[in-house]
Amino acid sequence: AQSVTQLGSHVSVSEGALVLLRCNYSSSVPPYLFWYVQYPNQGLQLLLKYTSAATLVKGINGFEAEFKKSETSFHLTKPSAHMSDAAEYFCAVLYSSASKIIFGSGTRLSIRP
Amino acid sequence: DAGITQSPRYKITETGRQVTLMCHQTWSHSYMFWYRQDLGHGLRLIYYSAAADITDKGEVPDGYVVSRSKTENFPLTLESATRSQTSVYFCASSVGSQETQYFGPGTRLLVL
Repeated sequence: AQSVTQLGSHVSVSEGALVLLRCNYSSSVPPYLFWYVQYPNQGLQLLLKYTSAATLVKGINGFEAEFKKSETSFHLTKPSAHMSDAAEYFCAVLYSSASKIIFGSGTRLSIRP
Repeated sequence: DAGITQSPRYKITETGRQVTLMCHQTWSHSYMFWYRQDLGHGLRLIYYSAAADITDKGEVPDGYVVSRSKTENFPLTLESATRSQTSVYFCASSVGSQETQYFGPGTRLLVL
């Protein structure tokens, strides 16, 4: 079955430290991949999207993600965490044969002062 | 310039009552979606619609009904609410099935 896995339901980093949020998908067929962010009491908004044009995708707020086919991964990174990055992050996968996005269970990112 | 809106933002109801959650988008997007968000489950698709008068089931459709008589509206009805339907409900829309989805602010529903 097609699925997406986010490792770690909660990640805590210090302000200024590297942020790494992990995402793995289940199929060897390169899909469309997304990272969304959800701030408290708000809906989700798109951070970045992979559509096979380039393996390294840059998004908003300094985030980027690298598509690695051999590892079926699409991890999200940011070199230096800011307090405003505290939120819930969702990885999502859309297979070209389907019309529905599958969301991961989310990773809550906390930033320590 | 409203984008996608949901109403009500908060709703408390009782078991067995009918509840309708509204979703309205101003972009004329073809696709619209309803998700529920619960701790530990992420977002789960309830129903989606590819165009007016075309709807299809998602992962968790039981107990829900949708309609789409107009492109801009996609109401979700709980015909007889149950406590297990207490959740946060998000509506989303997109230009196409493989395009970015834009989310509304959500509706928090509590079923007593």
